[in-house]
Amino acid sequence: QQPVQSPQAVILREGEDAVINCSSSKALYSVHWYRQKHGEAPVFLMILLKGGEQKGHEKISASFNEKKQQSSLYLTASQLSYSGTYFCGTEIGGGGSNYKLTFGKGTLLTVNP
Amino acid sequence: GAVVSQHPSRVICKSGTSVKIECRSLDFQATTMFWYRQFPKKSLMLMATSNEGSKATYEQGVEKDKFLINHASLTLSTLTVTSAHPEDSSFYICSASGKGEQYFGPGTRLTVT
Repeated sequence: QQPVQSPQAVILREGEDAVINCSSSKALYSVHWYRQKHGEAPVFLMILLKGGEQKGHEKISASFNEKKQQSSLYLTASQLSYSGTYFCGTEIGGGGSNYKLTFGKGTLLTVNP
Repeated sequence: GAVVSQHPSRVICKSGTSVKIECRSLDFQATTMFWYRQFPKKSLMLMATSNEGSKATYEQGVEKDKFLINHASLTLSTLTVTSAHPEDSSFYICSASGKGEQYFGPGTRLTVT
């Protein structure tokens, strides 16, 4: 049930764009995105709910394709501070699951000057 | 965003002793709290889900008698690692959820010698 993230790792130069994908074999109720820096706890980025929506947060946005059971995180004009490991957490079921999430293995993003 | 604290941030204990980790939601009431374990460069592994005033729900393979969870109030959950062994050494992270999003605490690095 663990969602599959791709790519596993990506290296960018400052200002470049990246896309991180998260796909599930199960029907999804919501997808949550987090960024974790080394030695720190994950930081919440955004949540996307069933209904196929898109959301944006400064230069980081995401989409959720319910039919394809996948979500994508878009990072545009990347900054050095974007470096870290990005995790998607997926929630299956209909909201009665106590918001329990299953996390992917993560995508290591490195932004170089 | 919501603030979740965890204490202690680091703990070293001897094999056979017990260690208690506290997780607090500081500026919101958390109906549900989650406990995760994370190995270096690995994903977040959910250990258990706890709801205030009720028994925790443990994931398959997690020993409930070894990892005691108490969720005494809407702002506090504790994880006690009983009779700790070196293989219990890990990064333990809690998260708190009020309305769907999960906010993570800073984590506790446990080392059992």
